[in-house]
Amino acid sequence: DVKVTQSSRYLVKRTGEKVFLECVQDMDHENMFWYRQDPGLGLRLIYFSYDVKMKEKGDIPEGYSVSREKKERFSLILESASTNQTSMYLCASSLWGTGNFEAFFGQGTRLTVV
Amino acid sequence: QQQVKQSPQSLIVQKGGISIINCAYENTAFDYFPWYQQFPGKGPALLIAIRPDVSEKKEGRFTISFNKSAKQFSLHIMDSQPGDSATYFCAAILMNRDDKIIFGKGTRLHILP
Repeated sequence: DVKVTQSSRYLVKRTGEKVFLECVQDMDHENMFWYRQDPGLGLRLIYFSYDVKMKEKGDIPEGYSVSREKKERFSLILESASTNQTSMYLCASSLWGTGNFEAFFGQGTRLTVV
Repeated sequence: QQQVKQSPQSLIVQKGGISIINCAYENTAFDYFPWYQQFPGKGPALLIAIRPDVSEKKEGRFTISFNKSAKQFSLHIMDSQPGDSATYFCAAILMNRDDKIIFGKGTRLHILP
């Protein structure tokens, strides 16, 4: 059974803190993604990675960075958390270049910045 | 160019009725169009998908209709059931090196028992 695991379901952090969100997949997928989900705004892509040590900006990268040192792990970093980064964060992974493209999502991390 | 516009934002349908969600895109280079279903407290999961060389794809009660000339596609849920109540996202993908998924804003569907 395919699995994408996010390290925390709920997090509460203070403004200005450095925050790490971790994601691990066990499917040997090349692609990994970080989205944030907000009511009325849908899923917005923050960053994605199609290989180890490779990363590309999505639509809303400001205030975030990522790290992919190993194929199975993709970390999202909030350098200095702000209240407008309170959101649901979703990690996903997929094989690259397959005929039937499917992205597998984790259960999400609900981050509250106070 | 990269947007996918989805409507309606919310939808209420009687049990047994047909639920219809619509999406439109601008970039004609998109070459894969999936629909994702998300239940509360869960991440989205792939429901059904279509390529632009096909006008319709059916899987059980779920059907995608695709109109390439109009750059529109829609999800039809036949005989809607309370268990179908969820948020639905359409999406579009450029099947190149990036495989980046562009999502619509979602439709919250509620099926009345």
